[in-house]
Amino acid sequence: EPEVTQTPSHQVTQMGQEVILRCVPISNHLYFYWYRQILGQKVEFLVSFYNNEISEKSEIFDDQFSVERPDGSNFTLKIRSTKLEDSAMYFCATQGNTEAFFGQGTRLTVV
Amino acid sequence: AQKITQTQPGMFVQEKEAVTLDCTYDTSDQSYGLFWYKQPSSGEMIFLIYQGSYDEQNATEGRYSLNFQKARKSANLVISASQLGDSAMYFCAMREGNRQVNYGGSQGNLIFGKGTKLSVKP
Repeated sequence: EPEVTQTPSHQVTQMGQEVILRCVPISNHLYFYWYRQILGQKVEFLVSFYNNEISEKSEIFDDQFSVERPDGSNFTLKIRSTKLEDSAMYFCATQGNTEAFFGQGTRLTVV
Repeated sequence: AQKITQTQPGMFVQEKEAVTLDCTYDTSDQSYGLFWYKQPSSGEMIFLIYQGSYDEQNATEGRYSLNFQKARKSANLVISASQLGDSAMYFCAMREGNRQVNYGGSQGNLIFGKGTKLSVKP
């Protein structure tokens, strides 16, 4: 069964450093999303991406965040200068018709 | 106001019994979608079941069924014949304004509830 793949599964970074989280979507899916889940809290929407541009973003998705699909395959989330409060599980989700399928997540720890 | 409310922070169920996880939602949109996801302790989010607001029949997927009561704005998940492997967090989510796309699907971001932790007892 096709699945969404995220790398790395865990990342520890120092505050102020840049991180790039990667996602390989299911091949025929056209809509891509990033969500985050702070430990013990609910899942929050960050951004959606369609046709090589952002279609929607939440207030969490400020200037420190960016997304792109650099090679038509990977879908990336970049955090330019990480803060302690960016520590969370980050999920990529992709959608074909109706259902959104999630990757296994990247656990980001900012120290 | 919360868009998705899951009032049960934790639930226990005996193995092989059925369990209902509650979810109520709040939207003024006529077209929306309702989803349930399972999150085991390993952290991944597993899609379980989907119900569209215009679907007349309750959705079913194997042991999962969605008890959709539109007038009450509730979308409860029913798990029949619980198994030990069902122990996990369960999240209800809504996609508002199910924006139609060319091939008959819909897209939009999901709004999640706070989740219910289900524990299945042997």
